[in-house]
Amino acid sequence: GESVGLHLPTLSVQEGDNSIINCAYSNSASDYFIWYKQESGKGPQFIIDIRSNMDKRQGQRVTVLLNKTVKHLSLQIAATQPGDSAVYFCADHPSGGGADGLTFGKGTHLIIQP
Amino acid sequence: NAGVMQNPRHLVRRRGQEARLRCSPMKGHSHVYWYRQLPEEGLKFMVYLQKENIIDESGMPKERFSAEFPKEGPSILRIQQVVRGDSAAYFCASSFDRGTEAFFGQGTRLTVV
Repeated sequence: GESVGLHLPTLSVQEGDNSIINCAYSNSASDYFIWYKQESGKGPQFIIDIRSNMDKRQGQRVTVLLNKTVKHLSLQIAATQPGDSAVYFCADHPSGGGADGLTFGKGTHLIIQP
Repeated sequence: NAGVMQNPRHLVRRRGQEARLRCSPMKGHSHVYWYRQLPEEGLKFMVYLQKENIIDESGMPKERFSAEFPKEGPSILRIQQVVRGDSAAYFCASSFDRGTEAFFGQGTRLTVV
């Protein structure tokens, strides 16, 4: 069956360093991918998305890379700040957009060390 | 412009009672989605509604769960005869149109005792 999963449950980085969070997916038909940030006690917050016709997309301090050959995507956060502490989820959608039928991974907890 | 509003934030129910979770979408949004999150898990899609219509309920349990989004008022997720396994955080999201960015609410944390 379809699954979206993350490689590590917890990632600890020093403040100011770059963070890389990885995600693997299994559905070859997935066309749209989103990274969400979820702070404790809050709902998921959209960070960045990417469509399958792209292999890289950049935002403010964040970059998402998509490797369709190995069904892998990553989220890179530059110059990590204390406010980046949260659980990060990747999600995929089979038909290119929207929030219906998103498949979420279990999440990676990013911890920022001072 | 207020975001997606969910209430209550926390809900405690005894086994066998009914739980009603409310979601008011962002202003101008007519598409609503419900997700469930178990502890230490990712979110699981439950149902997608547009005003007065259920578009996709493929993630809804077959029994005890129902959802509506009336012409006026919030979307309601209703769980009848709750069991301990229903304890979870329930998130609602809304979007202007299908395929556009969806925004999530703060969630309702349901605890069944």
